[in-house]
Formats: sequence, C-alpha cells, structure tokens
Amino acid sequence: AQSVTQLDSQVPVFEEAPVELRCNYSSSVSVYLFWYVQYPNQGLQLLLKYLSGSTLVKGINGFEAEFNKSQTSFHLRKPSVHISDTAEYFCAVSEGDSGGSNYKLTFGKGTLLTVNP
Amino acid sequence: NAGVTQTPKFRVLKTGQSMTLLCAQDMNHEYMYWYRQDPGMGLRLIHYSVGEGTTAKGEVPDGYNVSRLKKQNFLLGLESAAPSQTSVYFCASTDGQPQHFGDGTRLSIL
Repeated sequence: AQSVTQLDSQVPVFEEAPVELRCNYSSSVSVYLFWYVQYPNQGLQLLLKYLSGSTLVKGINGFEAEFNKSQTSFHLRKPSVHISDTAEYFCAVSEGDSGGSNYKLTFGKGTLLTVNP
Repeated sequence: NAGVTQTPKFRVLKTGQSMTLLCAQDMNHEYMYWYRQDPGMGLRLIHYSVGEGTTAKGEVPDGYNVSRLKKQNFLLGLESAAPSQTSVYFCASTDGQPQHFGDGTRLSIL
C-alpha cells in the first residue's frame, strides 16, 4: 500500500522569501507524483506532475519540484513567494500504469502555506 | 470548457435523510472518482469507476453507494446520512494522468 507524508501541516513565510514544502512517499512499485493547490473555498488545481524523465519538474506559478527516488521524496519549492500563493498544497502519489492501478491517487494530509506581508 | 461539474454545491441534511450527489464530466474520460476532504485528513477515496457500468470501493466506502449508468455521470448516494459524513466531497475524472477535479460539494449533516 502507498502512503504520503507531508512533513509540515503549516508553513508561514514572509513575502518574497523562498519556501520548500516537503513530501515523502512509500511505495513498493514505481510511482507517479503530483502536487495540487487548493485556494480557499475552491477545488484542486494541478501544480505539477512527475511521470518520467527529468527529475526536476517545473509547474505553474513559478513552482518546481524534484523527484528523489533514493530518498522517496518529492519536495515542492519556490524561490520567492507572493501573497497570492497562500493556499493549501497537497502531495499525491499514484502507482505507475503497470499493475492495474486504475490511476487512483493517495493524498498527503496537506500543508497550509501562509504568506505574510 | 465545463470539465468536471458537481451538483449541488452546498447542502444541509438532517440525520437519516438521503441524497444523491451528481458528478458530470464532458471530457469522455473512462475513470471517475469520489473523494471526501476533512480538515487535517487530506482527500480520501470513497469509490471509483473504471468505465460505464462499473464501480469499486476505495479507502472509505462505508455509508455510501455509487452508480455509473452513463459514461459521463458518476452518482454518489447517501442512503441514511450521519453527522460523520459532514465533509466536502470532490469528484474527479481521468483517462490517464493527471486527474481533473470538480469544485466540490459542501455537505453538512445535522
């Protein structure tokens, strides 16, 4: 069974500071990895995904993440945050297409990023 | 571009009442999912479907039923609502990766 651990439930930062949101996963098979963002009272929006290839993945709004297979991590980073980045961020994992995963996602519990002026 | 549409957006029920949440997608996706989101718990999979006429249990299926009579629609039913089912419900669909999500249904059971 897969599991996802988001190591910080809340991360407060000041505007224009860098931020890293940490995500670790456990799985016995190859995985696909995702970060979703949820703004207040809205649905989930895909921020970025790792399916294969380069381990450094760039997403929308200046975010990027690095897949580290040996560390089983997929940390999200942004070099300079804005007030508008205040939201909840979810890391999710899906088994690779082989084995009939049916593309199901297992989510972490979320990290609330609060950007202060 | 409608994508994934959930109805209703909000609903308040009394304990023991029944209701159905509707999810509709216009992307011709085979796979559809129902999740619930609770504070501090992330999203947990309730039921899913791999195609028209199929359904399967997810992580937290108890107290819910689903049906997929048409490819574009996935219904989530609560036969006898309980306060523990107060939550925000999200529907998603995909034909590969990633999943596309609706805007959610906020359900309160009193």
